[in-house]
Amino acid sequence: SQTIHQWPATLVQPVGSPLSLECTVEGTSNPNLYWYRQAAGRGLQLLFYSVGIGQISSEVPQNLSASRPQDRQFILSSKKLLLSDSGFYLCAWKRTGDNSPLHFGNGTRLTVT
Amino acid sequence: DAKTTQPNSMESNEEEPVHLPCNHSTISGTDYIHWYRQLPSQGPEYVIHGLTSNVNNRMASLAIAEDRKSSTLILHRATLRDAAVYYCILRDVFPAGNKLTFGGGTRVLVKP
Repeated sequence: SQTIHQWPATLVQPVGSPLSLECTVEGTSNPNLYWYRQAAGRGLQLLFYSVGIGQISSEVPQNLSASRPQDRQFILSSKKLLLSDSGFYLCAWKRTGDNSPLHFGNGTRLTVT
Repeated sequence: DAKTTQPNSMESNEEEPVHLPCNHSTISGTDYIHWYRQLPSQGPEYVIHGLTSNVNNRMASLAIAEDRKSSTLILHRATLRDAAVYYCILRDVFPAGNKLTFGGGTRVLVKP
């Protein structure tokens, strides 16, 4: 069966510090991968999605970047965090090319202080 | 991308049905209607999806209007565990549908 791992679960970082959040998927190959962010009490904002290794589509120009160095690994990064980067970050995957549902990880709650 | 519109919140009593509306007046012929729900402090989970016909599964039913410009998610007997935010999204069947965006969703409150 397929599983998605996302870590860490919580993170407190000072303004100006770097960020690296990692997401890995097991039990499938060539998945579509997604990073979403959710501000407190708000809906999900799509940040990045990837249909293959090295292929990243950015949805919102901002302080963040994403990379996919391996087929089932998706990394969200920042060189210098802003207060506005605080939120609940969710990684998700789906099978490529069909109408199968999205599967989400348990999320990382990031607080920038 | 075609957008969806949902009420911000709804209340229901436990054991009663809940009907969650979603408007998608600009839906295209190849858009599937998907529903997800998000429990507090968790990632969203898939609930149900459909194209034209009504759909049923163990979690809910999906009723799709004949013109496909709206749909309704039906929780037949709400329990306290159904208190969550419910998202209605449209997914194109073509590869362009790899981009999946969520709206604000409907927050469902279930009263005991």
